[in-house]
Amino acid sequence: DGGITQSPKYLFRKEGQNVTLSCEQNLNHDAMYWYRQDPGQGLRLIYYSQIVNDFQKGDIAEGYSVSREKKESFPLTVTSAQKNPTAFYLCASSIDLWAQPSEAFFGQGTRLTVV
Amino acid sequence: QKEVEQNSGPLSVPEGAIASLNCTYSDRGSQSFFWYRQYSGKSPELIMSIYSNGDKEDGRFTAQLNKASQYVSLLIRDSQPSDSATYLCAVNTYPNFGNEKLTFGTGTRLTIIP
Repeated sequence: DGGITQSPKYLFRKEGQNVTLSCEQNLNHDAMYWYRQDPGQGLRLIYYSQIVNDFQKGDIAEGYSVSREKKESFPLTVTSAQKNPTAFYLCASSIDLWAQPSEAFFGQGTRLTVV
Repeated sequence: QKEVEQNSGPLSVPEGAIASLNCTYSDRGSQSFFWYRQYSGKSPELIMSIYSNGDKEDGRFTAQLNKASQYVSLLIRDSQPSDSATYLCAVNTYPNFGNEKLTFGTGTRLTIIP
């Protein structure tokens, strides 16, 4: 059963803690992305990776970090430097943005709340 | 200027009518264009992709692309209450040489009125 799996679905973080959100795909996709969505807002790009061991900052990378050690995995760490981390986090993947078709598919999301 | 712009709505359409959603983009080099549907509290779901100028039809959905005018639209015919959702336009953009990313608009909230 191919797809993109994000875990956990809900996550609660205390002030000052780092937390890591998991994203795994078995679609053999090269490109992976992390987006943040705030209530009533669109998707803002945090980080993206077009190939293993390489990733690029998106529009709102401050306070976040990623790694891409395996093709299947692209974990996102929300650090204590991120001042307003409460949001809905979405991971997506696509075959390769340079190819067509290059549709991106999303996981089910992780809802992070700071308590 | 935002990279991808959409009217935030809300857009209200009677059941059975045609819903028309519009999106403009700023990067003239963009080659790939997508429409996603997002229900409240859920992740976005891809409903249409278009790469060439003109129309592309899939069931009740038609995507239209005009690269010269830098706009892409989505028509939903015979609108159903289940079409009530937020529709996100996404476009590939090039922040710098060798890098390409997928940029989303803020979405248009569509409500189908029974």
